[in-house]
Amino acid sequence: GAVVSQHPSWVICKSGTSVKIECRSLDFQATTMFWYRQFPKQSLMLMATSNEGSKATYEQGVEKDKFLINHASLTLSTLTVTSAHPEDSSFYICSAIRGQQILSGQPQHFGDGTRLSIL
Amino acid sequence: GESVGLHLPTLSVQEGDNSIINCAYSNSASDYFIWYKQESGKGPQFIIDIRSNMDKRQGQRVTVLLNKTVKHLSLQIAATQPGDSAVYFCAVARQGAQKLVFGQGTRLTINP
Repeated sequence: GAVVSQHPSWVICKSGTSVKIECRSLDFQATTMFWYRQFPKQSLMLMATSNEGSKATYEQGVEKDKFLINHASLTLSTLTVTSAHPEDSSFYICSAIRGQQILSGQPQHFGDGTRLSIL
Repeated sequence: GESVGLHLPTLSVQEGDNSIINCAYSNSASDYFIWYKQESGKGPQFIIDIRSNMDKRQGQRVTVLLNKTVKHLSLQIAATQPGDSAVYFCAVARQGAQKLVFGQGTRLTINP
């Protein structure tokens, strides 16, 4: 149980285009999902917290107009990197918490990430 | 805020030996701790978690120890196998929060 799927797993696109990444919880409902960014040989940095039916909460320094997050259902959150540039190239990973009742002390279950390369 | 540090960025052990990976955190209000394993090109995989009302928890071949006095967390892996080679991250959440703060990770290499 607790399977999180990300799509696509790898994308290469030209500078200036927008890229949408999907994160789905396959066998559970997730009120809360998270989006992370990871550079090579570094740790995960939280970008934003995605809440179903409400606006995402962005971490300090993350441009909300650059990284658009939509959490339209209890099983799907999307991250759109708008007008992507080479410096946006990174490994983007989502996670989800099982259940609708938000409690502290629950594990986040991660997808397998999306490697984004902007040429 | 919270900061999470790791004592060693790399650790190399012989197959069959036990390994210990350490983590330190700064915020005494942290009450949930979790270890993840990340293989190359994949997302983190949940290993084990522990809450602040416990000081030890065991899983299959893994044990997590929590010392709240010195704000230290460790992951012990017994009888390491080649499949244990990965980067291991500790992550911490403070009371009432969902957000996790990740440590920098330790790359564990298992030598045959």
